[in-house]
Amino acid sequence: DAGITQSPRHKVTETGTPVTLRCHQTENHRYMYWYRQDPGHGLRLIHYSYGVKDTDKGEVSDGYSVSRSKTEDFLLTLESATSSQTSVYFCAISDPTGSSYEQYFGPGTRLTVT
Amino acid sequence: EDQVTQSPEALRLQEGESSSLNCSYTVSGLRGLFWYRQDPGKGPEFLFTLYSAGEEKEKERLKATLTKKESFLHITAPKPEDSATYLCAVQKNTDKLIFGTGTRLQVFP
Repeated sequence: DAGITQSPRHKVTETGTPVTLRCHQTENHRYMYWYRQDPGHGLRLIHYSYGVKDTDKGEVSDGYSVSRSKTEDFLLTLESATSSQTSVYFCAISDPTGSSYEQYFGPGTRLTVT
Repeated sequence: EDQVTQSPEALRLQEGESSSLNCSYTVSGLRGLFWYRQDPGKGPEFLFTLYSAGEEKEKERLKATLTKKESFLHITAPKPEDSATYLCAVQKNTDKLIFGTGTRLQVFP
């Protein structure tokens, strides 16, 4: 298994509170991604990072921010959580070299916003 | 618009009953097509990457094939442990993946 951990694994929070999810990797991969997974929508990209301090938006970035101060850590922050952000969040990593572009996923964080 | 469609949404098979899952896509500039397996409560697990039409990859009872418009994941003589959701994703000339919604496979003994 790729060395990817996510914390916390489960969280229940109230509407309007800030929430930070952490992704930690031990593979020294350059790229890191945050996805959310909801029934009927599949996995959707929130934000991604292509290096330390280098990030970009995905297709569902509204209401989310990210930071990457070290190669191994990628943080996802919900500044003011809403019920529509109840979801399962997955972190992924990749190291595109040559023709190898596959992404490897962490175990996920189940977030419930009440 | 770039799109990935998987069918069927759900599939029930008897152990040993071979079948295929479909992933059709409409994207320009395909860089690669990926298959993942996802068990309940876990993250997707990488299975295969296919890069060009005509390419095939195999792993145990699974074989993935690719044409210019679709990919198939063939499951030969499945076992109950093959039960999972299978996800397809495509990558354009960027580093982003576009995922389908998956096929939920159940294999009964």
